[in-house]
Amino acid sequence: AQTVTQSQPEMSVQEAETVTLSCTYDTSESDYYLFWYKQPPSRQMILVIRQEAYKQQNATENRFSVNFQKAAKSFSLKISDSQLGDAAMYFCAYKAQGGSEKLVFGKGTKLTVNP
Amino acid sequence: DAGVIQSPRHEVTEMGQEVTLRCKPISGHNSLFWYRQTMMRGLELLIYFNNNVPIDDSGMPEDRFSAKMPNASFSTLKIQPSEPRDSAVYFCASRHRRLSNTGELFFGEGSRLTVL
Repeated sequence: AQTVTQSQPEMSVQEAETVTLSCTYDTSESDYYLFWYKQPPSRQMILVIRQEAYKQQNATENRFSVNFQKAAKSFSLKISDSQLGDAAMYFCAYKAQGGSEKLVFGKGTKLTVNP
Repeated sequence: DAGVIQSPRHEVTEMGQEVTLRCKPISGHNSLFWYRQTMMRGLELLIYFNNNVPIDDSGMPEDRFSAKMPNASFSTLKIQPSEPRDSAVYFCASRHRRLSNTGELFFGEGSRLTVL
């Protein structure tokens, strides 16, 4: 079974600084998708960024970028120029391509942004 | 465009009572998912529907839980009888068919259930 592990229950960063959140996963599949979702205090989960496993280029969305290391099964999220609004729970998630449509989530990392 | 709408946002009930959570997916989305979030277990998929048909309910904890999707714009998750260990935030999410390969989900704000 696929598993997703986020080893950092909590992280903090100073406003305008950069922070990296870690995620590792376990799968025997070769094709899959990886995601980072943000859950602010309002509770609604919002997609931050997505990476297709077949793409070697790391995904980027404005201040958010990933470091995808397929061989190491690692998928970290880098937030540059951190803003107060970035404070939230961040969840890493995995989905196999084809077959089950199930998203498997990690336990999450709580990010605090200090002014 | 309205997002996924869930009700109630908060529910407090006593053990043994029936609980019904409701979800309206985004119009045009053909897949609907129910997730449960707890501190101990994180986010767990309970069940999902494609075109109103339940596809995978292997995550439903036990027979006390049931889910229905009578039409494309409405789904319910029912717990009967409820127990304190059912206390959690229950999320509904939907997805358009053109995103079925990518897996991107659109979540509601969740229903926080407390069973006393």
